[in-house]
Amino acid sequence: GENVEQHPSTLSVQEGDSAVIKCTYSDSASNYFPWYKQELGKRPQLIIDIRSNVGEKKDQRIAVTLNKTAKHFSLHITETQPEDSAVYFCAAIPSGDTNAGKSTFGDGTTLTVKP
Amino acid sequence: DAGVTQSPTHLIKTRGQQVTLRCSPKSGHDTVSWYQQALGQGPQFIFQYYEEEERQRGNFPDRFSGHQFPNYSSELNVNALLLGDSALYLCASSFTWNTEAFFGQGTRLTVV
Repeated sequence: GENVEQHPSTLSVQEGDSAVIKCTYSDSASNYFPWYKQELGKRPQLIIDIRSNVGEKKDQRIAVTLNKTAKHFSLHITETQPEDSAVYFCAAIPSGDTNAGKSTFGDGTTLTVKP
Repeated sequence: DAGVTQSPTHLIKTRGQQVTLRCSPKSGHDTVSWYQQALGQGPQFIFQYYEEEERQRGNFPDRFSGHQFPNYSSELNVNALLLGDSALYLCASSFTWNTEAFFGQGTRLTVV
C-alpha cells in the first residue's frame, strides 16, 4: 500500500519567514495530494490541494509543488504569521482499480511561528 | 449548511463493550470516509462508503464496521473495544472519492 513520509516533524520560524514542509509518497497511482491544517482541538481543514497533472499551485501566501518523478510534494508558506501555528498534514490519494480513494496521511508537522 | 457533523463529541466506554459513532455529511456530498487519529499522529484511514457500500478499507480488523444510509449519513461501529482503540475518530465527506474532503469535529473515544 501507500506510504507517506512527512518532514520535518517540528518546525519553528520567526514571524515573516518562510516555512517549507516536505512529503514523499510511494504509490505511483496517487494523483491527488491535499494539505490540511489542524489547530489544537479542532478538525483538520483543507488549505490547498494539487493534482498530478499540475506541477505547482498557489493561493495567496500558500503554495504547493509536486514532483511526480521523484514522488514528492511540498507545502510552502511565505510571510508566516502567528496564526499559521498549527499541525500540518499532507495526504496522498490514489486512483485506479485497487486503491482508489484510500487516503494515506503523513504524521504531521507542528509549525510554530514566533512573534 | 452545518457542514459535517459527528455525534457524540466525547464517549467513555469499558473494554469489551461496543460503540457506534455517527456522521452527517456536508450537503451535496455522497462519500463518507472514517479515520482514527491517535495523539500526535496523522489520521489513519479506516474505510470509505459510497452508495451505501464499503468501497475501500484500510488496515483495521473486522471489529470495525460501518454503514451508510440512503441520506448519505454514516455510522462507525467498533466491537469488543480494546484500550488501544482510544483515539479521536474523524469522518470526512466529499463528492466522490477524489475531491475536497471536509472533516467533522471528531468523536473522542476513551476506552477504560
